Amino acid sequence: DAGVIQSPRHEVTEMGQEVTLRCKPISGHDYLFWYRQTMMRGLELLIYFNNNVPIDDSGMPEDRFSAKMPNASFSTLKIQPSEPRDSAVYFCASSFRTALQETQYFGPGTRLLVL
Amino acid sequence: GQSLEQPSEVTAVEGAIVQINCTYQTSGFYGLSWYQQHDGGAPTFLSYNALDGLEETGRFSSFLSRSDSYGYLLLQELQMKDSASYFCALSGSARQLTFGSGTQLTVLP
Repeated sequence: DAGVIQSPRHEVTEMGQEVTLRCKPISGHDYLFWYRQTMMRGLELLIYFNNNVPIDDSGMPEDRFSAKMPNASFSTLKIQPSEPRDSAVYFCASSFRTALQETQYFGPGTRLLVL
Repeated sequence: GQSLEQPSEVTAVEGAIVQINCTYQTSGFYGLSWYQQHDGGAPTFLSYNALDGLEETGRFSSFLSRSDSYGYLLLQELQMKDSASYFCALSGSARQLTFGSGTQLTVLP
């Protein structure tokens, strides 16, 4: 398996522009998570989906952030408009929940810089 | 809400044993996980404790005491490649993770 795939790996944009981050989870996984990592706030959960349905988006910082999962193989995290404080590494992770399996598999991340 | 505390930095020498502690506050959780992250990399799963006690996975072991709101990660036979950040994380009902701030482990030759 290729693991969780994220694109782009790096993104540099200007304040006010729309940014779309993409994620392909591991096939067969029924949970998908979006996390953000910064020096100041550490690793924080933004939103997660179960069977393509958003379950909890309480971690989404503002209305400028939105996430979708149109099918089991694809999810997007969109920031519109972007601001310099959105600069961070955004990770997508997926898992298959069982009584014994607790592993979340993280993608390589998208390093976002908003100028 | 939930909060976790762990030391910001730990230093040890190659071949030694190191313990990274994690204390937490929560109204409820399913388990305590540990993840490793190398600089520039993604977090990778190390260990999980759903029940009190010790879980052993090769050179890594993890411990949980729910009554003490405490857990630790034990790394044995340290190797240079173990230099990384280590995160404890509380697992929620959907196994969503709330992470601690991370411990930077430096292994010296």
